[in-house]
Amino acid sequence: ILNVEQSPQSLHVQEGDSTNFTCSFPSSNFYALHWYRWETAKSPEALFVMTLNGDEKKKGRISATLNTKEGYSYLYIKGSQPEDSATYLCASDTGRRALTFGSGTRLQVQP
Amino acid sequence: DGGITQSPKYLFRKEGQNVTLSCEQNLNHDAMYWYRQDPGQGLRLIYYSQIVNDFQKGDIAEGYSVSREKKESFPLTVTSAQKNPTAFYLCASSPGQGYNQPQHFGDGTRLSIL
Repeated sequence: ILNVEQSPQSLHVQEGDSTNFTCSFPSSNFYALHWYRWETAKSPEALFVMTLNGDEKKKGRISATLNTKEGYSYLYIKGSQPEDSATYLCASDTGRRALTFGSGTRLQVQP
Repeated sequence: DGGITQSPKYLFRKEGQNVTLSCEQNLNHDAMYWYRQDPGQGLRLIYYSQIVNDFQKGDIAEGYSVSREKKESFPLTVTSAQKNPTAFYLCASSPGQGYNQPQHFGDGTRLSIL
């Protein structure tokens, strides 16, 4: 099992703060890196799937970057809102078309 | 609406009993997956299937079995050989083509031991 590591484990920010999380993954046999948002009492929702080194994706106030050579991805949230409170999961695909997930970063945004 | 339906939402198992978790999708996706989540841990892959009548073991397959007789359905059986079955189980699907397809998840089944 290849390890996917996420940091920090949890984060508390104030409304309006910008924040970022890190996902590190084995850089060998890289095929894709996924980010998901998982709100309490809901099912995980896909944010981004990135496959190319240097990829940058954006969805509203959330963006992500990918460095496959060094094996890391950053997720940025600009101007956090209470509705951004969720657990953010990253996952790596090493070619089997199945994912290895990190343990997630739990974000709490205080109004 | 298209989506993934998992049932039941809560399930209780007696010692020595096999139980089956249902997962149905109407997204016309080829690939389906089963994950397990334990407190404080990420999702761990149990089994996955890229096409009907074929499936592969994931990272923690011991004590579980699956079948994929129909494209829409991917039931997971938790057997009595699984000594620590209490967990939250999530089913997912994806179109299956290429490596840039996100997975779509059901609402999960929480399994507990009586």
